[in-house]
Formats: sequence, C-alpha cells, structure tokens
Amino acid sequence: DVKVTQSSRYLVKRTGEKVFLECVQDMDHENMFWYRQDPGLGLRLIYFSYDVKMKEKGDIPEGYSVSREKKERFSLILESASTNQTSMYLCAIGRLAGTDTQYFGPGTRLTVL
Amino acid sequence: GQNIDQPTEMTATEGAIVQINCTYQTSGFNGLFWYQQHAGEAPTFLSYNVLDGLEEKGRFSSFLSRSKGYSYLLLKELQMKDSASYLCAVRDSNYQLIWGAGTKLIIKP
Repeated sequence: DVKVTQSSRYLVKRTGEKVFLECVQDMDHENMFWYRQDPGLGLRLIYFSYDVKMKEKGDIPEGYSVSREKKERFSLILESASTNQTSMYLCAIGRLAGTDTQYFGPGTRLTVL
Repeated sequence: GQNIDQPTEMTATEGAIVQINCTYQTSGFNGLFWYQQHAGEAPTFLSYNVLDGLEEKGRFSSFLSRSKGYSYLLLKELQMKDSASYLCAVRDSNYQLIWGAGTKLIIKP
C-alpha cells in the first residue's frame, strides 16, 4: 500500500508566522507535489520536485517555498503566513507519464488568523 | 488558457445511475483521470482514459472522446457511500495534471 503522510491534519497560525508543512512518502517516488484546494476551485499546483534538491514552480508559487533534502521528504514553507493562505494543502507523489497516477496524503487544513 | 468544466453539484437516488460530465480545453492531452474525494479526505484514483471509448471497472465506467474534449463518469447501482466529490483531471503536454473544481454528488435514499 502506498503511504503518504503529512505532519498535521489541522493547523492554526497567526498572520506573519513562518509555517512548515511536511510530507513523507514510503514509495521511493522521484516526483512529489504540493497542491492547495479551495472551495469552487480545482486543485492548484504550488510546487513540485522531481528529485532531491530539485524543485519547479507550479501555477501559484507566490508566498511559498519548498525544500527537498531527502528523497522521501518534501516540505512546503510559508515564509510569512497571510489570511489568503488559509486552505487545504495536499501533498502527492506519482510518476509524470503512463497510467500511473498521483497518490495523495491526507491533507493539512491550515487556518491563518 | 487551460480549462476543465464539471457541474458543481448533482443529486441522485440510491440504486439509480448517474452520469457526471467533464469537458476540457488544455494544451495537449496525455490522459484523463477521475478521482473520488470524500468530505475532509484526500482524493483517490478511480479511472484513467487515454484512448477514445469506454473503460469499465465494476460499478464505475469512464468514457472519453478526445475530438470533443469530453469525458463522463458513469456510476451504476448507487450506494450511499458514493456520496462524494468527483474530480476530473487532464494531463497536459507538459505532463502536469490540470484539475476541474469537482462535482459534489449527493445520494438520497
């Protein structure tokens, strides 16, 4: 069974705080992704990584950064949290081509006050 | 721009059949995916289409017409546990997934 875990299910932070969201996988996948999901919108890609220390911007990278020091771990960082970053954050792993799909972690619901 | 359209919400009766449509306009096409997402949970994979036609998997089937930029997910013999959101996603020419906003399916007894 594929296992993707995220550090917290629920998180409440204050505006201006630095926030770390961590994702860990046990499948040895090269590719890892961070999405945010908001009501009425599709999943939006923030960043992805296709190897250790490699990262690529997705559709909405502003206000976020990422870190991938080890293959199994991909961190999303909010340098200075703002209220418009209140959202559900989903980590995923998967291959880019073929019939293989993306496997998601349980999600972190972040509220920024 | 890239766009995927799905109905926002649908209601159906337990035991019935429901069809959820998805239309897309993307930069290239490398496959279409359907995911199921229960409230408060992560999306889980349901089906994949890359060639035109129908793919059947138990009570769920998915259809694709690439020339029309159209897909549907067909759910038969609906059960209460099928109440969830259904997400359509297209893999574009850069092999990135473009996601629809999802269709919330409500099943009534």
